[in-house]
Order: sequence, then structure tokens, then C-alpha cells
Amino acid sequence: EVQLVESGGGLVQPGGSLRLSCVASGFTFSGHWVSWVRQAPGKGLEWVANINQDGSEKYYVDSVKGRFAISRDNAKNSLFLQMNSLSAEDTAVYFCARDVRSSGWSHDFWGQGALVTVSS
Amino acid sequence: DIQMTQSPSSLSASVGDRVTITCRASQSISSYLNWYQQKPGKAPNLLISAASSLQSGVPSRFSGSRSGTDFTLTISSLQPEDFATYYCQQSYSTVWTFGQGTKVEIK
Repeated sequence: EVQLVESGGGLVQPGGSLRLSCVASGFTFSGHWVSWVRQAPGKGLEWVANINQDGSEKYYVDSVKGRFAISRDNAKNSLFLQMNSLSAEDTAVYFCARDVRSSGWSHDFWGQGALVTVSS
Repeated sequence: DIQMTQSPSSLSASVGDRVTITCRASQSISSYLNWYQQKPGKAPNLLISAASSLQSGVPSRFSGSRSGTDFTLTISSLQPEDFATYYCQQSYSTVWTFGQGTKVEIK
């Protein structure tokens, strides 16, 4: 069974940093692109970043470029999101998701999400 | 970045109704368009990929189509478990984007 489990969420002050983790199981983690997607309270989904199988390709939405860094450790089946210079606009549930290419790219499995709250 | 304009933002419908949700891309995205269903407090669930490819386990009352840069999700006969929020997403560019979502409510 494919599982993605996020951790590391919590309350952080504006300007602070936080590192999210996502541990994968039930599939060959090193064989897949993976993404972070976030959802602010009561709002829609926003794709944040993704990373390829060996970590050599990374893409980000403009709103987080230069502040967030996606990385992975295939030996530990883990995905990370280092978030710096956080602001209230970054308050959201952060989901990790597996990327899959069939006829096109999509997210076929998702974690349950980790809540990040940026507030003083 | 490619913008995805989804409409309507919400709709009210009855069980058994045919429901149509539209998503328009700001530029050509070929058929790199996905549809997700999300229920409150849960992660999204992939329904359709590549504009019209139904995912395994998804009921056949869901279907997707494309006409140029316009994409449609159709639910042929709305069921009680279909009341949720639906999102389109383009995966054509290196930066993927979602539509604003359509909340399907009970009339």
C-alpha cells in the first residue's frame, strides 16, 4: 500500500524557518518525482515545488522561490521542504504527493498533510 | 505561469442531476489536464488525468473532455458521495497550477 506521511508542521513566528518531512512507503521512492502542494485555510490548492528522482531537477512556484528548498534522501525514502523567511501568507496545510506520468503528469497519491501556522 | 480559470466557483445540485464543471487554460496545454475531488479535511483524490483518462476505481459517471484550451468535467448522475470540491490542474509547464475549485453542494 502506497503511503506518504508528513511531519514537522507547527507554529512559527514571521521571519522564521521550518522543515517539513514526508516519509514514503509501499513503492520505489527513488523511481518517482514528488511534489509539495499547499492549501491555505478555506482556500484552494497551490502547487509549491517538485523534484526529480535523483534530486538534480527542482521547480518552484514563484511565490516561494529563494525562500523554500525541496530536497530528498532516497536512502531514507524521504522528501523535505525547508521553508525560510516565512510570512502569514505561508500558513497552510502542506501535502506531499507522488507524481506519476501516464498519458500526462499527475499526483496519484497524497499524504494527509501537515499544518504550518505562521503567526506571532 | 499558466493560469487556470475554473467555473462555476460553486453550484447547487440534486442527486441524479447532470453536473458540468469547466476549466479554461490561459494558453495551450495540450491534454495535460487533471481533475481532483477533495472532501473536507481530506487530501485530494485524482479522478481524471490527461483530460479524459479515468483513474482506476473512479466511477464511470465521471468523465472528462477537451476542446482546445477548454476542459470539462462531467458527472452524469450526481450521487450523495459526490458532494465535494473539484479542482482542475495543468501539468504542461514546469510550474503546475490549479484552478480555483468548484464546490458542489446539495440543493
